[in-house]
Amino acid sequence: EVHLVESGGGLVQPGGSLRLSCEASGFTFGAYWMAWARQVPGKGLQWVATINEEGSQRYYMDSVRGRFTVSRDNAKNSLYVEMTSLTAEDTAVYYCGRHRVGSHVAEYWGQGTLVTISS
Amino acid sequence: EIVMTQSPSTLSVSPGERATLSCRASQSVGSHLAWYQQRPGQAPRLLIHDSSSRATGLPARFSGSGSGTEFTLTISSLQSEDFAVYYCQQGNDWPWTFGQGTTVEMK
Repeated sequence: EVHLVESGGGLVQPGGSLRLSCEASGFTFGAYWMAWARQVPGKGLQWVATINEEGSQRYYMDSVRGRFTVSRDNAKNSLYVEMTSLTAEDTAVYYCGRHRVGSHVAEYWGQGTLVTISS
Repeated sequence: EIVMTQSPSTLSVSPGERATLSCRASQSVGSHLAWYQQRPGQAPRLLIHDSSSRATGLPARFSGSGSGTEFTLTISSLQSEDFAVYYCQQGNDWPWTFGQGTTVEMK
């Protein structure tokens, strides 16, 4: 059974940084594209970033490009996102997702971790 | 960026009735369209991919159709567990984008 467990969320001051992690199990992690999405509580979903199997291709939504860095460690079955220069607009639940093979949809999402940017 | 527009925003349906949800793309996405269900406090769950293919284990009462810019999700006979928010998502052009969601509520 596929499991994705996010961690690292919390309260951060504006301008601060945070690193989220996603531990994967139940599948061959290195064989899948992986993604981060976010959702402001009570609002819709945004696809934040995606990384291919080897980490050689990375895609970012415009509002986070240059501030967020997605990475992965296939030996540790883990996905990461380093977030810097955080603003209140980055406040959201962040979900880790696994792409469906050959497709740009997420077949599985984790339960999410809440990031709150506030002074 | 491709804008995905869902209608209606809220759909009030009685259990056992049929629900029809729409999703429109601002430009063609071919058949690269997915539908997700999200219950309160839960992560999104993939229902439909490639416009009309059901995810593994999805009940047959869920069906998707459409191509290009117009898509539909139909739930043939609503069960209590189907009352939730539904999102469409295009996977044709980066950035992959979601619609704003349709809430299916009990009438």
